[in-house]
Amino acid sequence: KAGVTQTPRYLIKTRGQQVTLSCSPISGHRSVSWYQQTPGQGLQFLFEYFSETQRNKGNFPGRFSGRQFSNSRSEMNVSTLELGDSALYLCASSSDRGQETQYFGPGTRLLVL
Amino acid sequence: GENVEQHPSTLSVQEGDSAVIKCTYSDSASNYFPWYKQELGKGPQLIIDIRSNVGEKKDQRIAVTLNKTAKHFSLHITETQPEDSAVYFCAAHSYNQGGKLIFGQGTELSVKP
Repeated sequence: KAGVTQTPRYLIKTRGQQVTLSCSPISGHRSVSWYQQTPGQGLQFLFEYFSETQRNKGNFPGRFSGRQFSNSRSEMNVSTLELGDSALYLCASSSDRGQETQYFGPGTRLLVL
Repeated sequence: GENVEQHPSTLSVQEGDSAVIKCTYSDSASNYFPWYKQELGKGPQLIIDIRSNVGEKKDQRIAVTLNKTAKHFSLHITETQPEDSAVYFCAAHSYNQGGKLIFGQGTELSVKP
């Protein structure tokens, strides 16, 4: 099976812009979680989607949003970018609701200038 | 909420030696504890996991132990090789937290030939 894929892999934006990141889970997986990774804060949970519904949300401002499509692909959006949003954004998929085992994609490296 | 502490933050060993990384968690309801290995430029890769009804699990040179009473779990790597050099993350999963993974801060392991 192909692993989790994320596009784009690298992105450079300027403050105030918005960005959309995409994640395709492992075939058959219906749960997608998003994490932000920074050197200072480590890996922090953003949100989780299952069957097109947001099931859980971390402690991030409303500028961070996401959605999931009927084919389980997910997108996350960050509006009004700030310098502090520079990070590696990781997507992880799991097979079913309540399934703890998560498999990560390679991430999207976002740089905000 | 759940908090996961990971030690040490850096670990340097000689090839062939053993490496041990320790984590403690705060939520007694946590029931699943995965370990991830992250190489430079890649997403975290699941290397081993353990559930709360098991005290120890082994997979070749890698083992994980869990002490539920003390709320700590450890990763043991024996006969280390240079390709084991990476950042290792522990995590805890609790349904009290909505099913999200809470990560430790990571341990940078360096195996010197």
